[in-house]
Amino acid sequence: NAGVMQNPRHLVRRRGQEARLRCSPMKGHSHVYWYRQLPEEGLKFMVYLQKENIIDESGMPKERFSAEFPKEGPSILRIQQVVRGDSAAYFCASSPPSRGGYEQYFGPGTRLTVT
Amino acid sequence: SQKIEQNSEALNIQEGKTATLTCNYTNYSPAYLQWYRQDPGRGPVFLLLIRENEKEKRKERLKVTFDTTLKQSLFHITASQPADSATYLCALVMNTGFQKLVFGTGTRLLVSP
Repeated sequence: NAGVMQNPRHLVRRRGQEARLRCSPMKGHSHVYWYRQLPEEGLKFMVYLQKENIIDESGMPKERFSAEFPKEGPSILRIQQVVRGDSAAYFCASSPPSRGGYEQYFGPGTRLTVT
Repeated sequence: SQKIEQNSEALNIQEGKTATLTCNYTNYSPAYLQWYRQDPGRGPVFLLLIRENEKEKRKERLKVTFDTTLKQSLFHITASQPADSATYLCALVMNTGFQKLVFGTGTRLLVSP
């Protein structure tokens, strides 16, 4: 059973470009969470999704950031018009429906660098 | 304001000793507390969960305590090994309709042979 997969592992974007980060949860997991880890800071919750639904996006910046988890395919975190301050590691986690998020299984992360 | 505090300085110990890491929080009322391990360039890995009505939890060489009066959790690794060297994160699990994790900044543990 493959773990949570994220791609790309490293992404370089110039200021003003768009960044798309993908997350494939573990098999059987229908809950997906996105976190951001800035250098020297802890992981910060961004958004919680279930299939086709955004459940909580209280940690998402109001502008330029969006997330989706379609019925088919991976969850996508999209950052439009990236700025230098978006440089960070973005982690996706998943959990099965029966566990309600108590144990979250993390992917290896996508390291976004904005030049 | 709400805060989760873990020692920002690295903890250096010798192999075979017990490592004790601290997590203190203020102005939170977590339902659960979890500990994760994170290696450089990797995602966190779940280690242990302890509920608010549990005082202590053990798993192999790991032990976690949770004192909701002191608002503190202690994480112990007994008979530590160099392979235990990593950053350890505590995370509060808030009951907000779903289990939202709020992470501390982590403590780096270095176990020397």
